[in-house]
Amino acid sequence: AQSVTQPDIHITVSEGASLELRCNYSYGATPYLFWYVQSPGQGLQLLLKYFSGDTLVQGIKGFEAEFKRSQSSFNLRKPSVHWSDAAEYFCAVGAGNNDMRFGAGTRLTVKP
Amino acid sequence: NAGVTQTPKFRILKIGQSMTLQCTQDMNHNYMYWYRQDPGMGLKLIYYSVGAGITDKGEVPNGYNVSRSTTEDFPLRLELAAPSQTSVYFCASSPLGREAFFGQGTRLTVV
Repeated sequence: AQSVTQPDIHITVSEGASLELRCNYSYGATPYLFWYVQSPGQGLQLLLKYFSGDTLVQGIKGFEAEFKRSQSSFNLRKPSVHWSDAAEYFCAVGAGNNDMRFGAGTRLTVKP
Repeated sequence: NAGVTQTPKFRILKIGQSMTLQCTQDMNHNYMYWYRQDPGMGLKLIYYSVGAGITDKGEVPNGYNVSRSTTEDFPLRLELAAPSQTSVYFCASSPLGREAFFGQGTRLTVV
């Protein structure tokens, strides 16, 4: 069965520092891959998605993610974190068959 | 553009009571979903629909029911509420069954 692992439950970075959030998946074929962000008390907002093609994808708010087939990973990155990026981030894996699986989430704290 | 709208935002239920969580979308999406979110567990799919009149079970359907009479609406029914159903519920829609657009959520407490 497909699964998604986000190894880091909580990450703290200083404002202006770079960020990388890890995501590993288990799936039989190349799935669709997503990163969502959730601010407190809000729904999930799509940051970026990968379906096929270029393995480095750009998203909103200055985020990017790289699909690495050999490592079954889809890590999220941002070169310089802003205080407003503090939120919870979810990686998700799907195949267009309505069986999208979400990771447990990584909570990001940004220090001033 | 409202997107996906859920009501109510908060609700407290007593054990054994029933209620319906409402979800409506104005994007003309065929696919709609109900998820529950529990701390440290990510989101789990309860039910989904690929179009009006068509629904199917997700990963955790027990204790819930859905209907889809129109493209816009996808209500979730809880019968005989139990403390295990205390959670945050999210409705989402999708144009092609890939990326999903989420509502703001309904925080439900069963006491």
